[in-house]
Amino acid sequence: GAGVSQSPRYKVTKRGQDVALRCDPISGHVSLYWYRQALGQGPEFLTYFNYEAQQDKSGLPNDRFSAERPEGSISTLTIQRTEQRDSAMYRCASSRGTGNDYGYTFGSGTRLTVV
Amino acid sequence: RKEVEQDPGPFNVPEGATVAFNCTYSNSASQSFFWYRQDCRKEPKLLMSVYSSGNEDGRFTAQLNRASQYISLLIRDSKLSDSATYLCVASTDKLIFGTGTRLQVFP
Repeated sequence: GAGVSQSPRYKVTKRGQDVALRCDPISGHVSLYWYRQALGQGPEFLTYFNYEAQQDKSGLPNDRFSAERPEGSISTLTIQRTEQRDSAMYRCASSRGTGNDYGYTFGSGTRLTVV
Repeated sequence: RKEVEQDPGPFNVPEGATVAFNCTYSNSASQSFFWYRQDCRKEPKLLMSVYSSGNEDGRFTAQLNRASQYISLLIRDSKLSDSATYLCVASTDKLIFGTGTRLQVFP
């Protein structure tokens, strides 16, 4: 597609439920990144993939968070047993190369609210 | 301590003013540096890359001091449309963002 597409745009869920957030990167982009952004803060790194391989998951807060990109394109970030502190904007970005000389293009994000 | 630190502001300046933002980074292995701009409720967008030699893009000038681990952004002749949050970024294999500095330009 023309840009990075994230769905849903908004998600309200009850505490304890599982949620799955989807990211569809720009076609041909090999690297995909997940960030979380709280109000008034910069994006906080969660995890990233080169093709289908998860390269770094050091930013995932705990084992309730997981991500996959099985075919090297669409990625899903899953949060199990959601808690109120998980409420934030979740942003996905993609890049056409694996180095950082290539700019990241961000999607519009998924705003998650856990009630 | 955050890996990339910025003054959150806000910086309130009149149109036409010159404003400077600074940030510091703690990871000496950082290889690439950027400034991103983020408008309210929107996604971050790349403003410019930052090099030791300094680089300029119109009214915007960015500078990197590797010895001090310090990055700066200078905006000359501020416009109302420059009002946004400016995010300082250092990267190794992924981008690490600062908290952002909010700029408000008033008429």
